[in-house]
Amino acid sequence: GENVEQHPSTLSVQEGDSAVIKCTYSDSASNYFPWYKQELGKGPQLIIDIRSNVGEKKDQRIAVTLNKTAKHFSLHITETQPEDSAVYFCAASYGQNFVFGPGTRLSVLP
Amino acid sequence: NAGVTQTPKFQVLKTGQSMTLQCAQDMNHEYMSWYRQDPGMGLRLIHYSVGAGITDQGEVPNGYNVSRSTTEDFPLRLLSAAPSQTSVYFCASSYSISGPGNTIYFGEGSWLTVV
Repeated sequence: GENVEQHPSTLSVQEGDSAVIKCTYSDSASNYFPWYKQELGKGPQLIIDIRSNVGEKKDQRIAVTLNKTAKHFSLHITETQPEDSAVYFCAASYGQNFVFGPGTRLSVLP
Repeated sequence: NAGVTQTPKFQVLKTGQSMTLQCAQDMNHEYMSWYRQDPGMGLRLIHYSVGAGITDQGEVPNGYNVSRSTTEDFPLRLLSAAPSQTSVYFCASSYSISGPGNTIYFGEGSWLTVV
């Protein structure tokens, strides 16, 4: 089955710096890769996604890149702000469902 | 439009007790699912449903039952609670089965402790 790895598990950056979270997947049939942000005490919320026929997608300060050959995709957050502090999950489509990575706790230090 | 609503938010159970986590969505979504979230393990799929009357097992179904009698509701039943079921549970829904562009909406979570 599909296996999704995510690194790092924790990440601390200074406000204004960039943050990068990387995920790898194992099933070459996966064709859709969403990223979720989970704030403390809340459910995960979709922040950006990418389809397998696209190499990069950007939405304001957030971007995602996909390398199908290497089976990895990354989340890039620029000009980080304190409100970016949260747990971030990557996911890969697998059949009728998704497989999620273990999560990255991002802390943006003022 | 409340989205995905889960109840209860917090629950403490004794080993061997049974209980039902309720989930309702008001977006007319066909696809609903239950996940559990444990530290360092991400979100793991317990059961899912692609429409009323249709359910299927996910990655970690043992100890849980589900039913889908209406489009709106998807309750999760713990048959005989065990300490290993201590976790945070999330209900989720989407318009259709997973795939490109099909956003999954999560509920706020239910914190369950089994003692």
